Amino acid sequence: NAGVTQTPKFQVLKTGQSMTLQCAQDMNHEYMSWYRQDPGMGLRLIHYSVGAGITDQGEVPNGYNVSRSTTEDFPLRLLSAAPSQTSVYFCASSGRGGTEAFFGQGTRLTVV
Amino acid sequence: AQTVTQSQPEMSVQEAETVTLSCTYDTSESDYYLFWYKQPPSRQMILVIRQEAYKQQNATENRFSVNFQKAAKSFSLKISDSQLGDAAMYFCAYRSALTRNDMRFGAGTRLTVKP
Repeated sequence: NAGVTQTPKFQVLKTGQSMTLQCAQDMNHEYMSWYRQDPGMGLRLIHYSVGAGITDQGEVPNGYNVSRSTTEDFPLRLLSAAPSQTSVYFCASSGRGGTEAFFGQGTRLTVV
Repeated sequence: AQTVTQSQPEMSVQEAETVTLSCTYDTSESDYYLFWYKQPPSRQMILVIRQEAYKQQNATENRFSVNFQKAAKSFSLKISDSQLGDAAMYFCAYRSALTRNDMRFGAGTRLTVKP
């Protein structure tokens, strides 16, 4: 079972560059989310989706865009990378209600 | 908005001993779910244990158990017979059963296990 597949695992960007972090899940989960993990701050919710065509902002949405055209895919776009976006990014998916979240392996992004 | 607080940035325990990690949360809702996740150095997020707020009985998974105090909004994790492989970051997380949003996490507790 693939679960949640997140790519790439590592990325270095220059300030002002754009990129897309890919996330795909094969569990037919309704919920998909993007988090960033920074030292001492845990995981903070960037954007989430409760189904295809529906997205909403989390705690720290500025500088990021998302779309959900299919149930399986939930890409995260950085339009103009800034050093403050240096972080580890996680994609997660879960079913309805109190089911656990399944996480991708994370992307370590460095913006120089 | 719901918030989750882990007041212990770091904890250490002797191998084979018991340790308790603390978590408190703030919510006005009555129906929700609580989780403890483990993150080893591999960075992978692993579910340790899950608790439904409507269940009074504390969840247990082998050496891991929780002390869920709904009125106090407290959700601590007890690890018994600690093993070297338990060394990791531990995150407490909250998920509403009612609102259409996703999990909120605490800042984490780094657990060190001493041989």
